[in-house]
Amino acid sequence: AQSVTQLGSHVSVSEGALVLLRCNYSSSVPPYLFWYVQYPNQGLQLLLKYTSAATLVKGINGFEAEFKKSETSFHLTKPSAHMSDAAEYFCAVTPRGHYGGSQGNLIFGKGTKLSVKP
Amino acid sequence: SQTIHQWPATLVQPVGSPLSLECTVEGTSNPNLYWYRQAAGRGLQLLFYSVGIGQISSEVPQNLSASRPQDRQFILSSKKLLLSDSGFYLCAWSVRQSGYEQYFGPGTRLTVT
Repeated sequence: AQSVTQLGSHVSVSEGALVLLRCNYSSSVPPYLFWYVQYPNQGLQLLLKYTSAATLVKGINGFEAEFKKSETSFHLTKPSAHMSDAAEYFCAVTPRGHYGGSQGNLIFGKGTKLSVKP
Repeated sequence: SQTIHQWPATLVQPVGSPLSLECTVEGTSNPNLYWYRQAAGRGLQLLFYSVGIGQISSEVPQNLSASRPQDRQFILSSKKLLLSDSGFYLCAWSVRQSGYEQYFGPGTRLTVT
């Protein structure tokens, strides 16, 4: 069955430092991949998505993620952390069907809370 | 543009009382609709999804139910709440044909006392 693993439930970085949040998926067929961000007591906001075009995907707020099929990974990065990046980040996948289309339902990782120190 | 609304934003209910949470989507037609729950310290749990009016799929057996009386309206209900029903409830929608990303509402914080 499809699954998503986010390494590290909590990550702390200093303001201005590199942000790296890890996500690995399990699938024999590369799925569609997403990163979402959730601020306290708010809904999830889509940061970026990979659906089989360029392997390096740029999203909002300066975040980007690289799809690496050989490593079954989709890690999220940002070159320089800002205080406003403190939030919880979720990686998600949706299985790709036999004919390439999505089967619809998202499978979420358990989330990584990012703290940014001044 | 599309927007998704949820209400109420917060709710405190005693054990054994009924529940009704509502979600509506504007600016799109025939969406897929989803209900998720986030319990403290846990990830997102898919509760129900719907691909059309009156079509509900349940992912987790529990004392909750869902209904879709109109194309862009999704309701989460319970006849008798349990303490374990406390959590943050999120509604989401996606474009039916592509089934790719989902867009989330602002959520409802439910506390069962």
